[in-house]
Amino acid sequence: SQQGEEDPQALSIQEGENATMNCSYKTSINNLQWYRQNSGRGLVHLILIRSNEREKHSGRLRVTLDTSKKSSSLLITASRAADTASYFCATGSGGGADGLTFGKGTHLIIQP
Amino acid sequence: EAQVTQNPRYLITVTGKKLTVTCSQNMNHEYMSWYRQDPGLGLRQIYYSMNVEVTDKGDVPEGYKVSRKEKRNFPLILESPSPNQTSLYFCASSLSPQGFQPQHFGDGTRLSIL
Repeated sequence: SQQGEEDPQALSIQEGENATMNCSYKTSINNLQWYRQNSGRGLVHLILIRSNEREKHSGRLRVTLDTSKKSSSLLITASRAADTASYFCATGSGGGADGLTFGKGTHLIIQP
Repeated sequence: EAQVTQNPRYLITVTGKKLTVTCSQNMNHEYMSWYRQDPGLGLRQIYYSMNVEVTDKGDVPEGYKVSRKEKRNFPLILESPSPNQTSLYFCASSLSPQGFQPQHFGDGTRLSIL
């Protein structure tokens, strides 16, 4: 099954700065999803972008998808301390027998 | 409030003692799944269910069982737990096939098998 790999593994920035995380995957997809996980909690869905979309926005989040390069990026603008979390990309092929395949995540730390 | 509820949240037990982790969702979702999360390995799918009485193996099903007798419940059963099953477990549900839709996750169950 395809797998998303996030880059970097860890990122530390100052509050107010923008944070960019990248995800690469190996095979064709139906969609790519980004999730956030706060320490000790479950994953929370952030954005789903379909393979025929190039960019999607949700509040301070911007996701891009480049299917020719098999990559996606998540941009968080004007970061806040509450954005400190791990961020995962997950790829879906769309079939019922295939679930989402998650990457290992980027741990984002926002310094006050 | 729409949610996925797992119980227990924490459990320490011993090798070989059967245990069940319950999962319930109140969103009338057809799809439910179980994942385990381990450091350096990310989330890996254990089992999933596409509807009542329909279950199938994920990537790491060995040592686990599941059942789906009702739409809202999807318990994870460890018949004879071993230390390598010490992990953080998540139940998730979605409206339609996982590859098409966002998944809603429970808060996790941290299992320690001694």
